[in-house]
Amino acid sequence: ETGVTQTPRHLVMGMTNKKSLKCEQHLGHNAMYWYKQSAKKPLELMFVYNFKEQTENNSVPSRFSPECPNSSHLFLHLHTLQPEDSALYLCASSQGERGEETQYFGPGTRLLVL
Amino acid sequence: GDSVTQMEGPVTLSEEAFLTINCTYTATGYPSLFWYVQYPGEGLQLLLKATKADDKGSNKGFEATYRKETTSFHLEKGSVQVSDSAVYFCALSDQGTGRRALTFGSGTRLQVQP
Repeated sequence: ETGVTQTPRHLVMGMTNKKSLKCEQHLGHNAMYWYKQSAKKPLELMFVYNFKEQTENNSVPSRFSPECPNSSHLFLHLHTLQPEDSALYLCASSQGERGEETQYFGPGTRLLVL
Repeated sequence: GDSVTQMEGPVTLSEEAFLTINCTYTATGYPSLFWYVQYPGEGLQLLLKATKADDKGSNKGFEATYRKETTSFHLEKGSVQVSDSAVYFCALSDQGTGRRALTFGSGTRLQVQP
């Protein structure tokens, strides 16, 4: 499945570093999402973008900064993260207006903060 | 708010055994219900979905029926294979709230032994 790609697949960073995660969808969808998957916790929604506009921020700390330059690309800029931010970050996309549409996920970026 | 509760794992079965993974939900509106599967090292893939009461979703031998009266969406398969070993997530999308994001359960790890 190559509909949603994410880079890098693995990332190790120090608490003072700045890095960015990239997501690209090749499905022509109008909505994109960032989720966080931590060990032993349910997937947590972070951000939702619809037609490049942010429509939901799930009380995410400001050290995570999303960017959606167009409907096909989504970034997550990381700055001064904490060790507890280590997790798998998943990007997803969907098409539709009513919420019952299927979300298609990328393979994720596994992040380790030292 | 919306929530999804799944049975704790891991679930360990022998090949060709019958599988049930329980899922119940609470929602304020009219949810669509999903089962996603995550194979090791990969992102989530949609397994099946149902968008209204009494609908049955099915795919790859897996089935789940949307039961509004019991607020449940249990996943079943008659004969599991080693290749079904993965983590299974129940999720809902609540159209009544206007939110497009999915609310996930905590996931159930399935291990199938030869």
